[in-house]
Amino acid sequence: EAGVAQSPRYKIIEKRQSVAFWCNPISGHATLYWYQQILGQGPKLLIQFQNNGVVDDSQLPKDRFSAERLKGVDSTLKIQPAKLEDSAVYLCASSRSLNYEQYFGPGTRLTVT
Amino acid sequence: QKEVEQDPGPLSVPEGAIVSLNCTYSNSAFQYFMWYRQYSRKGPELLMYTYSSGNKEDGRFTAQVDKSSKYISLFIRDSQPSDSATYLCAIRRDYKLSFGAGTTVTVRA
Repeated sequence: EAGVAQSPRYKIIEKRQSVAFWCNPISGHATLYWYQQILGQGPKLLIQFQNNGVVDDSQLPKDRFSAERLKGVDSTLKIQPAKLEDSAVYLCASSRSLNYEQYFGPGTRLTVT
Repeated sequence: QKEVEQDPGPLSVPEGAIVSLNCTYSNSAFQYFMWYRQYSRKGPELLMYTYSSGNKEDGRFTAQVDKSSKYISLFIRDSQPSDSATYLCAIRRDYKLSFGAGTTVTVRA
């Protein structure tokens, strides 16, 4: 079974630029999550989708972050404009459904200079 | 106050030692208690989970939960260099996970 795929693996941008991350979950997984993991901290949930609907986006900074999951499969997370404090690893995870085990991708390491 | 507190370490032990990792949490409504392992440049992977007070064993790993004290622990027996990683506690209420900061463990050969 293929795992969660993410791209790119690394990205360096300047502040105020925009950036987008892509996630392909495990086939058949209805629930998809985006987490932000700042160095030295645990992952923090940004947004959670069930199929193509948003379940929880309470910690997503909506003035600059957006996410979509068209057709209930792949997802993209966008930051526009980026700030220095957005430097982090962005992890995508998927699960069969709500409350099932979450499987994480390798993450995208973002550096904002 | 953070929902989950975890000592970030780092922790360095010789091969064969017992590793002891701990977390405390603040909300008694939390339902499930998990430990994840995260190797460098990788995503977290689930090691163990439990939902009741007491001990749960899986090979060299033992997870312990004390709901009355809001305290969870992970013990690794006979530690190996391959156990070197960051260990994250995570606690779930409803469908949402709250993670600790993670403890980085190095097992020296």
